[in-house]
Amino acid sequence: DAGVIQSPRHEVTEMGQEVTLRCKPISGHDYLFWYRQTMMRGLELLIYFNNNVPIDDSGMPEDRFSAKMPNASFSTLKIQPSEPRDSAVYFCASSDRVWGTTDTQYFGPGTRLTVL
Amino acid sequence: AQSVAQPEDQVNVAEGNPLTVKCTYSVSGNPYLFWYVQYPNRGLQFLLKYITGDNLVKGSYGFEAEFNKSQTSFHLKKPSALVSDSALYFCASSSGNTPLVFGKGTRLSVIA
Repeated sequence: DAGVIQSPRHEVTEMGQEVTLRCKPISGHDYLFWYRQTMMRGLELLIYFNNNVPIDDSGMPEDRFSAKMPNASFSTLKIQPSEPRDSAVYFCASSDRVWGTTDTQYFGPGTRLTVL
Repeated sequence: AQSVAQPEDQVNVAEGNPLTVKCTYSVSGNPYLFWYVQYPNRGLQFLLKYITGDNLVKGSYGFEAEFNKSQTSFHLKKPSALVSDSALYFCASSSGNTPLVFGKGTRLSVIA
């Protein structure tokens, strides 16, 4: 398996623009997680899905953020409109169902977002 | 609420010396504990985990961690550090059926 795939790897956009980040989890994994990493706040869980259903989105910072998982092999995280403070590295991770949310998570390489 | 503390932002160690990266946790019930490593411009990679059983857990790249329930600690160790071990290390915990909570990370620098 190729592991968790994220695209794009780098995104530079201007304030006010819509940004869409994409993730393909490892095949057969039932859980998908979106994280944000910044120097100030460290690694923050934004939202996670189980079998394509959002379970906990309490980490989503504002209504400007939304996430979807239309099928088992694809998820998007959208920011609209984007702001400079959204600049961060966004990670997607997936895990198997054996131990549920406590199972080992496999992380993608991340998307480095810069909002000017 | 559960939490994970990594008291050291930075750990420096000479190559060949033993290394320890500290982690303490606060979890209600039985803890599930993890260590991850992040190399520059990469995602987090799983190193090892404690679910139940032996308090000494062995993981990838020669790392191990010891679960200490009385001290609520899960320190990461390696007998002999390599320059290539230099990276950012994250401890994480869960109480089961809850998402992992990550510490802020400890930057390990191994000096040749």
